[in-house]
Formats: sequence, structure tokens, C-alpha cells
Amino acid sequence: QQPVQSPQAVILREGEDAVINCSSSKALYSVHWYRQKHGEAPVFLMILLKGGEQKGHDKISASFNEKKQQSSLYLTASQLSYSGTYFCGTERTDKLIFGTGTRLQVFP
Amino acid sequence: DAGVIQSPRHEVTEMGQEVTLRCKPISGHDYLFWYRQTMMRGLELLIYFNNNVPIDDSGMPEDRFSAKMPNASFSTLKIQPSEPRDSAVYFCASSLSGGAREQFFGPGTRLTVL
Repeated sequence: QQPVQSPQAVILREGEDAVINCSSSKALYSVHWYRQKHGEAPVFLMILLKGGEQKGHDKISASFNEKKQQSSLYLTASQLSYSGTYFCGTERTDKLIFGTGTRLQVFP
Repeated sequence: DAGVIQSPRHEVTEMGQEVTLRCKPISGHDYLFWYRQTMMRGLELLIYFNNNVPIDDSGMPEDRFSAKMPNASFSTLKIQPSEPRDSAVYFCASSLSGGAREQFFGPGTRLTVL
């Protein structure tokens, strides 16, 4: 039931791009993305609703393919501040089921 | 707004003791969620409340765990008796009106049961 994320970990140099994928075995109504820095709480990035829409925040954007039950998070020209663990969350009747997480490390 | 407030931030206790974690949600938010995070199991939802009423407690691991929300500004998660496998970071989060809304997380309580 828990969404599966891939890859499990990514190591980047500043300025490089990355893609994080989230797949669900169940139908998706919306997908949430959160980032958690080491020792801190998860922080909301964005929500994607049905319709295959793509949303963005600064140089972080995401897509949602409800037919494939997948979402992808795109990080462009990564910055040191992007380091952390990224979680997708799939909505189930007012609650979120968080994915397995992807650890992203950006080095200078 | 002060955000979601949790206390204590750290708790170290011995096996068999009762542990109470506290949460104050953001004012006006009508949903409150309790999560547990461990390396092995990731971020798990334990229970959530809507307008102070528990809606889904299917994630509560066993009867040793209980949660209450006596009013809109306070919730507790109690573990009695505690066991070493309960060691984890416990987060409380709140949101406005429903699942497709941003959840605001508190700083978490790091629980260590010896």
C-alpha cells in the first residue's frame, strides 16, 4: 500500500539535475511532495491533483500521471539547500500514505 | 503563528514506563495527525482526528498506544507500557479541512526507550 520511490538515494554536484519517481499500486487522486532535512520535520513542497498537471516551485517541479499511478519530482540546477529526504504522499480519504523516501545529497 | 508545537522534544525512559507526548496544532486547523518515523518503517500514520474526533486509528501498533484530543488546541499520544521497539521520532501535524491540503508538521519528539 505504501508508494514506492526510486531511486532510494541520489548524489549530485551543485547545478546538476535529478528526477525522483513515486509509484502506487492503487489509484491516485492526488500526490503530495515533502522534503525533510536531517533532524527536522517534513516540509510541504507541493500538491498535484488529478488531470496530469504539472506544478512547480522555483526550480522544483513535478508531474502526475494518474493513469500510470505515478508522479515524478524534477529538481533543476540543484542547490546545496536541496539536500534532504524527499517523500511523496498519496491521499486516502483525508489521510496521507507516505512513500519510502529518496535521500538527496548535493555537494559543492 | 507559532506553528505546531510538540513537547517534550526529547524523552528518554525505561522499558515499562508510561510516556505521554503532547501536541498543540495550528489554531483553526481541524485535522490533526500523529506519525511515527523510524529508519526501518519510514513515516507511518498512527491516528488522525477531525474536529477532535478520532477518525482512523488503524495505524496504532497495539493497545499500548492511545491518543486523545480533548479540545481543538491539544492532543496527547500515550504509550503504556513503553518498550524499546517504540523508540522513534513522533511527529504531530495539522491541516485545514481534508486530505488534499498541506500538512504542517511539528518539530517532533525523539523517544528513546531503554
